[in-house]
Amino acid sequence: AQSVTQPDARVTVSEGASLQLRCKYSYSGTPYLFWYVQYPRQGLQLLLKYYSGDPVVQGVNGFEAEFIKSNSSFHLRKASVHWSDSAVYFCAVRFPNTNKVVFGTGTRLQVLP
Amino acid sequence: GPKVLQIPSHQIIDMGQMVTLNCDPVSNHLYFYWYKQILGQQMEFLVNFYNGKVMEKSKLFKDQFSVERPDGSYFTLKIQPTALEDSAVYFCASSSTGNTGQLYFGEGSKLTVL
Repeated sequence: AQSVTQPDARVTVSEGASLQLRCKYSYSGTPYLFWYVQYPRQGLQLLLKYYSGDPVVQGVNGFEAEFIKSNSSFHLRKASVHWSDSAVYFCAVRFPNTNKVVFGTGTRLQVLP
Repeated sequence: GPKVLQIPSHQIIDMGQMVTLNCDPVSNHLYFYWYKQILGQQMEFLVNFYNGKVMEKSKLFKDQFSVERPDGSYFTLKIQPTALEDSAVYFCASSSTGNTGQLYFGEGSKLTVL
């Protein structure tokens, strides 16, 4: 079945530390991949997306993600987090045979000052 | 950037009543979606809509749910009658293309069913 997994429900890091949020999907082909961020009481905002080409994609606010086909993964990274990065991060996948976007369960990031 | 507007931002109703959630999608977008989020957790797909028709719906899209976009106006989600388990935040999204376009989300409509 087509699915998206974010194994870490919560991640806590100190300000200035590096960050990796994990995302894996279940699909034999190459889907369209997204990372969204949700701040409290707001909708989702797109951080970055991958359709094809360079497997490392750059997003807003210093975020990047790497598509690794052999691992069916699309982990989000940031070299140095800021307290304002505290939010919930959702990995999302659009499988080519469907028009719907499937979300992972989200990872709540807390950045300690 | 492009904006999706949702009205109302919060609605409280009694169980069994009808509710309509309104969404004003990004201009010129053709694909519309509703998602349900409970307690800030997973975004659950409900339905997507294109060219006046429901394209796909999930098991969460119960018979009491309906969507429409009459004459290019608001894209609406109607629940009739409501149940306690319908309490959630409902997010509308739109995209310009079907299978590659990113989704643009509204800020959500919080529904509380008493």
